[in-house]
Amino acid sequence: KAGVTQTPRYLIKTRGQQVTLSCSPISGHRSVSWYQQTPGQGLQFLFEYFSETQRNKGNFPGRFSGRQFSNSRSEMNVSTLELGDSALYLCASSLVPSYSTAEAFFGQGTRLTVV
Amino acid sequence: QKEVEQNSGPLSVPEGAIASLNCTYSDRVSQSFFWYRQYSGKSPELIMSIYSNGDKEDGRFTAQLNKASQYVSLLIRDSQPSDSATYLCAPEGGGYQKVTFGTGTKLQVIP
Repeated sequence: KAGVTQTPRYLIKTRGQQVTLSCSPISGHRSVSWYQQTPGQGLQFLFEYFSETQRNKGNFPGRFSGRQFSNSRSEMNVSTLELGDSALYLCASSLVPSYSTAEAFFGQGTRLTVV
Repeated sequence: QKEVEQNSGPLSVPEGAIASLNCTYSDRVSQSFFWYRQYSGKSPELIMSIYSNGDKEDGRFTAQLNKASQYVSLLIRDSQPSDSATYLCAPEGGGYQKVTFGTGTKLQVIP
């Protein structure tokens, strides 16, 4: 079956702009989690959506937001981009909410570079 | 807040040796644990899960869990250069908490 699809794969934006990233989970999976990964910080949890509802949120500023649609596809938006937002953004799909399991399947990620 | 600690490495082992990767966690709620492998420039992939105390073997991989000590490990026997990657430990969220990944241990298998 198809895996987790993230688009776009690469993105270059200018400081102050906003960006929207997309994640299509594995068919049948209703949970989508988003992570930011940088070399010095590892995987940092952004938020999780399950059945269109945000279930958990990490310690990121309000510039980071997300949503999930009825078909479980999810989008993540970052407004007023800063240089420090440059990172690999990963989404992970799972059948049930992550508080029930840490079994997840990751997309290939979106590499965001802010200049 | 769940804390997960891993030695960042790099852990260097010669080809054919046993690589031992360790992970400690701070809370007692988590009941199951997952190991992910992440190759450089790639996304993490799930390689092992363990749900009860003791050992679980899958091919060259063995996961060990000790809930009393809040410790989980991953052993890789007959290490191969293709095992060179960063290994992430993730306890199950539990108690409506989100999944917390360790920062990962970088393993280098030297041919």
